[in-house]
Amino acid sequence: KQEVTQIPAALSVPEGENLVLNCSFTDSAIYNLQWFRQDPGKGLTSLLLIQSSQREQTSGRLNASLDKSSGRSTLYIAASQPGDSATYLCAVDTGRRALTFGSGTRLQVQP
Amino acid sequence: EAGVAQSPRYKIIEKRQSVAFWCNPISGHATLYWYQQILGQGPKLLIQFQNNGVVDDSQLPKDRFSAERLKGVDSTLKIQPAKLEDSAVYLCASSKPQDSPLHFGNGTRLTVT
Repeated sequence: KQEVTQIPAALSVPEGENLVLNCSFTDSAIYNLQWFRQDPGKGLTSLLLIQSSQREQTSGRLNASLDKSSGRSTLYIAASQPGDSATYLCAVDTGRRALTFGSGTRLQVQP
Repeated sequence: EAGVAQSPRYKIIEKRQSVAFWCNPISGHATLYWYQQILGQGPKLLIQFQNNGVVDDSQLPKDRFSAERLKGVDSTLKIQPAKLEDSAVYLCASSKPQDSPLHFGNGTRLTVT
C-alpha cells in the first residue's frame, strides 16, 4: 500500500527566503507525482506535475524534483512571499489516476 | 474555463441524518473523483468515475455512502446515516483521461453533531 509522508508538517520563514518542502513515498512504481497548494477553506490548486520519466518541473519561482528510485520529491520555492502562505500537498499516482496524498506542509511566510 | 462546481459549501447535520453533495465537473472531463479530507490530513479517495462507470470505490464505506454519476456529467455523493467521524471536507475533482492534473472544487464542509 502506497504511503506518502511530508516533512516538515509546518514551516514559518521570513519573506525572501528560499525554502524546500519534502515528500517521500514508499512504493517507487508511480506514474506521476503532483504538488498542490491549498488555501484555507478552498480546494486544491495543481502547481506542478512530474511524470515518472522526468526529473524536475519548473513554474515561475517553483521547482519540483523527483527521484523515483529513492522515493523522494522536493518542492523548492525561491524568494518566498507572504502570498505563498498556504498548505502544500504532494500526491502520487500509481497509474490508476487515483492519487495518494501526504498530510501536507503548512507554510507561513512572515512579511 | 469554468472550474469544478460543488454545493452546498457548508452543511451541519445531526448523527443518523442523511446528507447529499452535488458536483459539476469541468466540461469535457471524463474522470470524476470524490475525496474526503479530514482536518489536518490529506484527501483520501472515496470513489472514481470514468464517464458513467465506477473505476475504484474500494475505500467507499458502502454501508452508508453511495455515489452516482448521471449521464457521465454531474455527480452526487450521499451519506445515510451520518456518523460523527464523517465530519470532513468532501472534495470533488475532475480530469481528462491521461497525463493531466486534477482540478478540484472548493469542497463541502460537513459537520456532524
